[in-house]
Amino acid sequence: ETGVTQTPRHLVMGMTNKKSLKCEQHLGHNAMYWYKQSAKKPLELMFVYSLEERVENNSVPSRFSPECPNSSHLFLHLHTLQPEDSALYLCASSREFRATSGGPGELFFGEGSRLTVL
Amino acid sequence: GNSVTQMEGPVTLSEEAFLTINCTYTATGYPSLFWYVQYPGEGLQLLLKATKADDKGSNKGFEATYRKETTSFHLEKGSVQVSDSAVYFCALIKGGKLIFGQGTELSVKP
Repeated sequence: ETGVTQTPRHLVMGMTNKKSLKCEQHLGHNAMYWYKQSAKKPLELMFVYSLEERVENNSVPSRFSPECPNSSHLFLHLHTLQPEDSALYLCASSREFRATSGGPGELFFGEGSRLTVL
Repeated sequence: GNSVTQMEGPVTLSEEAFLTINCTYTATGYPSLFWYVQYPGEGLQLLLKATKADDKGSNKGFEATYRKETTSFHLEKGSVQVSDSAVYFCALIKGGKLIFGQGTELSVKP
């Protein structure tokens, strides 16, 4: 058990659909992350939440909308996506997020949600 | 900007062969460096890390040494096993963000 659970594991959606990805961590961490993993490309950091506040938004298109209702849950709301958005979306958590020094240290990842946009 | 470059995969080895996966980085200052591993169908897991120059991280027979003069953090293992087949990611931390390389797929044949 990884401590970070993502649902659904697989999602197929049309370009006009609205869907959400869910992430839950059972580790008591204060920071949560969304990464996008595309084939043969570096993992792309999308969003960072620290203590339920967004601290990082890496120029992600508005068709991706994150939500962090509490420190254990993180959502990624999807609407009017494009086929190039098809990828593995990884959620991660860390004990804390420190932008000024050190950084988060170890991240704990979920198994990912495989998204296919038709 | 800050970036990490890894050797292209896939890397295919026979069991008990020696493994090297090259990683170089570009960053100001001295970031902490990491290797993460992603086994098939799973999320990424931290494999090892080094926080300052000349540090050696090690775990599960894997090693990597933080080389400031060559800005490198190459991953090595003396004798790979089939169970080591996975994708390996080199990463650095800068400004609180973990920045990953593109990953190197390793396939070990019996």
